Amino acid sequence: DGGITQSPKYLFRKEGQNVTLSCEQNLNHDAMYWYRQDPGQGLRLIYYSQIVNDFQKGDIAEGYSVSREKKESFPLTVTSAQKNPTAFYLCASSASPGPPNTDTQYFGPGTRLTVL
Amino acid sequence: AQSVTQLDSQVPVFEEAPVELRCNYSSSVSVYLFWYVQYPNQGLQLLLKYLSGSTLVKGINGFEAEFNKSQTSFHLRKPSVHISDTAEYFCAVRFNAGNNRKLIWGLGTSLAVNP
Repeated sequence: DGGITQSPKYLFRKEGQNVTLSCEQNLNHDAMYWYRQDPGQGLRLIYYSQIVNDFQKGDIAEGYSVSREKKESFPLTVTSAQKNPTAFYLCASSASPGPPNTDTQYFGPGTRLTVL
Repeated sequence: AQSVTQLDSQVPVFEEAPVELRCNYSSSVSVYLFWYVQYPNQGLQLLLKYLSGSTLVKGINGFEAEFNKSQTSFHLRKPSVHISDTAEYFCAVRFNAGNNRKLIWGLGTSLAVNP
């Protein structure tokens, strides 16, 4: 089965702790993305990576970090510096920017992070 | 600035009625347009996309959307909705300027189908 997996589905952490969210894809996609979703605010881009060993900040990168050591994996670390980390986190991937896929993004099932 | 506006945050509708979810975007550059659906506590699933060609695009689950370049719109329609269509719907746009591969997202429209 090809797709994107995110683990865990639910995650709880204590205030002040770092936590890492996993995202793996077996679609052979070049680009990967992390979004944060809060009620009524749509999707906000945290970080994205267009190629291995390279990534760029999105619109709300503060308090987050990522790595892209392998094409298949794009883990997101929520650090203690993130002031309001409780949210639903979505990982996505896309193939090359040219036709036919033209950067269509495909999403994982999401991880709901709750800070206690 | 490039932006995407979903004009209705909530749309209540009765089962078997038609529905239209509206999406407008800013900018005169060429665009790729997408509609996604999100069921509760799940990821987003692609409904349909417009890249080029015919302005009427058909997607999964009986949905279709029409690209209107002059009005910079990409409204989503379904002639007869089911209870199972109750979900959040997101419009997204890729503005084709430079090397930017990011999508700009609307805030979503919550479709509630009532019996």
